[in-house]
Amino acid sequence: GQQLNQSPQSMFIQEGEDVSMNCTSSSIFNTWLWYKQEPGEGPVLLIALYKAGELTSNGRLTAQFGITRKDSFLNISASIPSDVGIYFCAGQFYFGTGTSLTVIP
Amino acid sequence: KAGVTQTPRYLIKTRGQQVTLSCSPISGHRSVSWYQQTPGQGLQFLFEYFSETQRNKGNFPGRFSGRQFSNSRSEMNVSTLELGDSALYLCASSLGQGRSRDTGELFFGEGSRLTVL
Repeated sequence: GQQLNQSPQSMFIQEGEDVSMNCTSSSIFNTWLWYKQEPGEGPVLLIALYKAGELTSNGRLTAQFGITRKDSFLNISASIPSDVGIYFCAGQFYFGTGTSLTVIP
Repeated sequence: KAGVTQTPRYLIKTRGQQVTLSCSPISGHRSVSWYQQTPGQGLQFLFEYFSETQRNKGNFPGRFSGRQFSNSRSEMNVSTLELGDSALYLCASSLGQGRSRDTGELFFGEGSRLTVL
């Protein structure tokens, strides 16, 4: 199947700090999506990107679709405790390895 | 609007048994996809059904199968269970047509946690 590599694997940050994570693929995707999963729940869609080079925001979240269509990044600004969870990038049905985010109050 | 419903939420089986999991998609969604989530392998795509037909398939052995009914509800079956099949099985639904067919904007259920002893 498709291989999506996500980094970093985990992050421990202080509340108020900004967070950046990225995702690379061996294949080209026409869409990049970012999901968040909290304990005991399924992933929830945060942002969808449809065009190479596109920069999209959703509140404190900003994501970009790489020009090569093989990568994407997600930034979270001014983190808060409820940002805790695992963040996944995805291309159609294929998911990255996840970034576990812990926010220390 | 009701979300994606998966049943059962938890189940325990022994090696060699088989299991059937059920997924009811969001009303109006015709695509249902299934995923296996484990700590070591992350979220792995099993298969996708649209209008009662398997439209996409991941890289899992034939012991993993699925089907979709005319009301878009879906089931997945795992036969001859192995210890390594212990995982959270997630189902997701989407419109499955138009732009969402290719974009994969998915709405997930809470999952069925399978333990194989």
